[in-house]
Amino acid sequence: GAGVSQSPSNKVTEKGKDVELRCDPISGHTALYWYRQSLGQGLEFLIYFQGNSAPDKSGLPSDRFSAERTGGSVSTLTIQRTQQEDSAVYLCASSPPPGWETQYFGPGTRLLVL
Amino acid sequence: RKEVEQDPGPFNVPEGATVAFNCTYSNSASQSFFWYRQDCRKEPKLLMSVYSSGNEDGRFTAQLNRASQYISLLIRDSKLSDSATYLCVVRYSSASKIIFGSGTRLSIRP
Repeated sequence: GAGVSQSPSNKVTEKGKDVELRCDPISGHTALYWYRQSLGQGLEFLIYFQGNSAPDKSGLPSDRFSAERTGGSVSTLTIQRTQQEDSAVYLCASSPPPGWETQYFGPGTRLLVL
Repeated sequence: RKEVEQDPGPFNVPEGATVAFNCTYSNSASQSFFWYRQDCRKEPKLLMSVYSSGNEDGRFTAQLNRASQYISLLIRDSKLSDSATYLCVVRYSSASKIIFGSGTRLSIRP
């Protein structure tokens, strides 16, 4: 079946602009995670959605970052007023119920802020 | 101190060799443990879960030592295709509290 998809695959933007990154999880997966990975680094947790529960936003680095998940499926990560340090690969993962075992990752969005 | 620590490597070993690396975690409340594999410029993929009794999947063996708070991954008869970064993953009591290590780079040479 279809895996997790993310768009765009690459995004180049100018400092100060807003960007939106999209994640389509695997159908039926109730849990959705966003991570950020800088070059040569591990994954940094950003936000977690589980069903209709309030999201865990504890990993968002600043109030310029926000995310939503509509209808329990597609999720959008928005970065406002981008900075050069926001440049990274943004990875989305989804998990089937109960939501914490195997995570299936999308291919990521490579964001470059000039 | 990082919550999950791994030797970044790189480990450079000949094909056919056995290689092992560890991952230490700082929070004794950790509940679940995993090894993920990440190829260059690709997304992480689950390699195997790590169970308390230890588990084996073909050439791969994972062990958990709760007393010393580390997990290990052993790869026997290494193949060129095993070259990748291996990520240690620890989950705490809440589903969202999942910590990834920075990864150990493994390079298998012919």
